[in-house]
Amino acid sequence: LAKTTQPISMDSYEGQEVNITCSHNNIATNDYITWYQQFPSQGPRFIIQGYKTKVTNEVASLFIPADRKSSTLSLPRVSLSDTAVYYCLVDEGGFQKLVFGTGTRLLVSP
Amino acid sequence: DTEVTQTPKHLVMGMTNKKSLKCEQHMGHRAMYWYKQKAKKPPELMFVYSYEKLSINESVPSRFSPECPNSSLLNLHLHALQPEDSALYLCASSQVVTGSQPQHFGDGTRLSIL
Repeated sequence: LAKTTQPISMDSYEGQEVNITCSHNNIATNDYITWYQQFPSQGPRFIIQGYKTKVTNEVASLFIPADRKSSTLSLPRVSLSDTAVYYCLVDEGGFQKLVFGTGTRLLVSP
Repeated sequence: DTEVTQTPKHLVMGMTNKKSLKCEQHMGHRAMYWYKQKAKKPPELMFVYSYEKLSINESVPSRFSPECPNSSLLNLHLHALQPEDSALYLCASSQVVTGSQPQHFGDGTRLSIL
């Protein structure tokens, strides 16, 4: 099975918009795409979840194209506290074969 | 603070020891998960419990033995571990086992095998 892949790292400055992509070619037909944030020595924290098109909440937006083979997490106006590792999570084969993406380490600088 | 509580936070054990990791949630969730996370790697799914029954075992070695005594508790019993088993062990829960329900994670137990 192909891995669920993400860029290894991204750098940004405070106040900028950051877009992180996840490639998930083997996503199960009826599965949602979920994004998490993880700080050192903590468990992942839920950010946003979607099935198709666009979802927005108070902290992020999630864009999913029609073929659902990728997704993009958008963080508007990042701050220093957004420095963390971001993971997507998908079901790659149905029946809860839950696979985290490879993770993107975001560094936000002043 | 998380709604999923894991104890202990840190554990050091020898290869011949027997120990247990504990996880507790009081959100009424009926799905609970164990993950293993090595440094700078994503969490890897180990076990899934649905309504207190083991539903997924991702080919985990038998030296790891999960147990779900009731809907709020999840244990991971450890015996004869190897140095490569040193990692952060994360517990998570969700309302039910379905991709539409986000998982809530504890902060993990950092395990070191001597």
